[in-house]
Amino acid sequence: DIHVTQSPSSLSASVGDRVTITCRASVHIYNYINWYQHKVGRAPKLLMYGASTLHSGVPSRFSGSGFGTDFTLTISSLQPEDFATYYCQKSDSIPLTFGEGTRVEIK
Amino acid sequence: EVQLEESGGGLVQPGGSLRLSCAASGFTFRNYWMTWVRQAPGKGLEWVGNIDQESHEVYYVRSVRGRFSISRDNAKNLVFLEMNNLRAEDTGVYFCARDKIVGAAVFDNWGQGTLVTVSS
Repeated sequence: DIHVTQSPSSLSASVGDRVTITCRASVHIYNYINWYQHKVGRAPKLLMYGASTLHSGVPSRFSGSGFGTDFTLTISSLQPEDFATYYCQKSDSIPLTFGEGTRVEIK
Repeated sequence: EVQLEESGGGLVQPGGSLRLSCAASGFTFRNYWMTWVRQAPGKGLEWVGNIDQESHEVYYVRSVRGRFSISRDNAKNLVFLEMNNLRAEDTGVYFCARDKIVGAAVFDNWGQGTLVTVSS
């Protein structure tokens, strides 16, 4: 199976900071990476698909990039509502594996 | 408005069975792939399996293959997760989700989840 490794596992940041989360696939997966935000007790939310396409309604401070094996999710200016756990997910083939998650905490 | 609501979770003994349901509304259910994802306590999200629009294609993560079964009823806008021979490691919150684009495996709408606890 293709592995997806996400880093860091957690980070502390302040409101207004630029935050970058990375996801690395064990083999080339073109742009088949999606990003989700998950808050405790809530339904996960789709942020980005196809590595760089912003899902409808998602603020433009979120952006994604990458192709092949290395991908990034960037939050340009962290807002209070952005403190959550973020997951990448590969969508090229079964199994549709998620990364381990990155918990974004308030500094 | 798209809505997904899971039900059927609860406490079950190891080796037992449980059937989860996900009720869909606000969209043409029969046109979409549906997926189940779970989250063990303190862990991340894990894709469990998915099913195509007409139940011709069903896929599972290796750890549940042969024990779990996904099905759907397009007349009632329901998708099911039948879980047999449950293990402690199956404990977690189970979410159903909709595929944004046919077969693209991009999950654009999720339910709130239902908790499954496997314990004696």
